Amino acid sequence: QQQVKQSPQSLIVQKGGISIINCAYENTAFDYFPWYQQFPGKGPALLIAIRPDVSEKKEGRFTISFNKSAKQFSLHIMDSQPGDSATYFCAASDDYKLSFGAGTTVTVRA
Amino acid sequence: KAGVTQTPRYLIKTRGQQVTLSCSPISGHRSVSWYQQTPGQGLQFLFEYFSETQRNKGNFPGRFSGRQFSNSRSEMNVSTLELGDSALYLCASSLDHPTAKTQYFGPGTRLLVL
Repeated sequence: QQQVKQSPQSLIVQKGGISIINCAYENTAFDYFPWYQQFPGKGPALLIAIRPDVSEKKEGRFTISFNKSAKQFSLHIMDSQPGDSATYFCAASDDYKLSFGAGTTVTVRA
Repeated sequence: KAGVTQTPRYLIKTRGQQVTLSCSPISGHRSVSWYQQTPGQGLQFLFEYFSETQRNKGNFPGRFSGRQFSNSRSEMNVSTLELGDSALYLCASSLDHPTAKTQYFGPGTRLLVL
């Protein structure tokens, strides 16, 4: 049973556009929510992370929005670039164990 | 600071064999976790070690085991390999601090079971 549900499975966006990926969780014990970016043949790399006491966090073109009451969080990639084409995973952590979403493959068209 | 390193990067085994994978965490990181990544099941947590003790365990059969050494390096072992064990095995390390839970991943070991 997947503890973190992620959507969409894939998306295509034009260069300069906005990519939005959504995740939902049920376990209220989760206290840390990271997003990872993975390129083919590589391990996941941390992109940005948030704790449940914060509603939004921005780092460069990447923003996490967090809704604690709805148990949902999302990643927004602004001004998407071809180099952003990758698979993105949301995750949730409790007690140092990460539960991952199924992943979203993002393709940025030039 | 060097990142998480994993050896070997690629491995081909046959059913019934056993395999040992190695992970060296980032210097100073004492927590090491292992994950299995497959196209069908995604990223799944195997186990986590801290101070040479298994602290957390995922829902994998007993054929999957691991250990951690005093220098925080870790190994995982899979015995009696099955075709379904073909996957990318990822190791991640973290500082193990309540305010520093970030896990940093290595490049993974790609295991193919024939």
